Amino acid sequence: DQQVKQNSPSLSVQEGRISILNCDYTNSMFDYFLWYKKYPAEGPTFLISISSIKDKNEDGRFTVFLNKSAKHLSLHIVPSQPGDSAVYFCAASGASKIIFGSGTRLSIRP
Amino acid sequence: DAMVIQNPRYQVTQFGKPVTLSCSQTLNHNVMYWYQQKSSQAPKLLFHYYDKDFNNEADTPDNFQSRRPNTSFCFLDIRSPGLGDAAMYLCATRGQNEKLFFGSGTQLSVL
Repeated sequence: DQQVKQNSPSLSVQEGRISILNCDYTNSMFDYFLWYKKYPAEGPTFLISISSIKDKNEDGRFTVFLNKSAKHLSLHIVPSQPGDSAVYFCAASGASKIIFGSGTRLSIRP
Repeated sequence: DAMVIQNPRYQVTQFGKPVTLSCSQTLNHNVMYWYQQKSSQAPKLLFHYYDKDFNNEADTPDNFQSRRPNTSFCFLDIRSPGLGDAAMYLCATRGQNEKLFFGSGTQLSVL
């Protein structure tokens, strides 16, 4: 039973445009949501997070939106840059556990 | 720089031959995690420690064990690796606001 789902395994976006990555979750008890970025042969690195009491958090080019009623969050990257090409994992935290989605591979094309 | 270090980066073992993966941290975080990640799948939580309190996920096979002798070090022991245990193993510590700090991972191959 997947508690955190990323339904798009891949996404291709033109450089300079907006990248939108989506994530759905099933457990209402999650209290923190996080996005991680992963390059090949490296561990995931933290990108941005949001508490369940907020609906938006922004950090530079990255913004995360949380819709609790829909149990949905999204990561917006604008403008997209070539260095953003990586696998992006959504994660949800609750009861000392952090559960990951299966990732979306983002490719930024020139 | 404070960090999470995993050794080795690549580990090859034989079917059924015990193997130990290592993780160390200089962040002095109380909480540590071991995840297993197979290609194109979500990292799967195997264990987590809150200080020395050990928490085993219900679906983690008995073949997998873990040790945390002190705050800085954590080990993953696979007693009898099978072909299905070939994966990337990720160690992480947890800081403020649920932020995880990952090591580079150990890619395990089973021959």
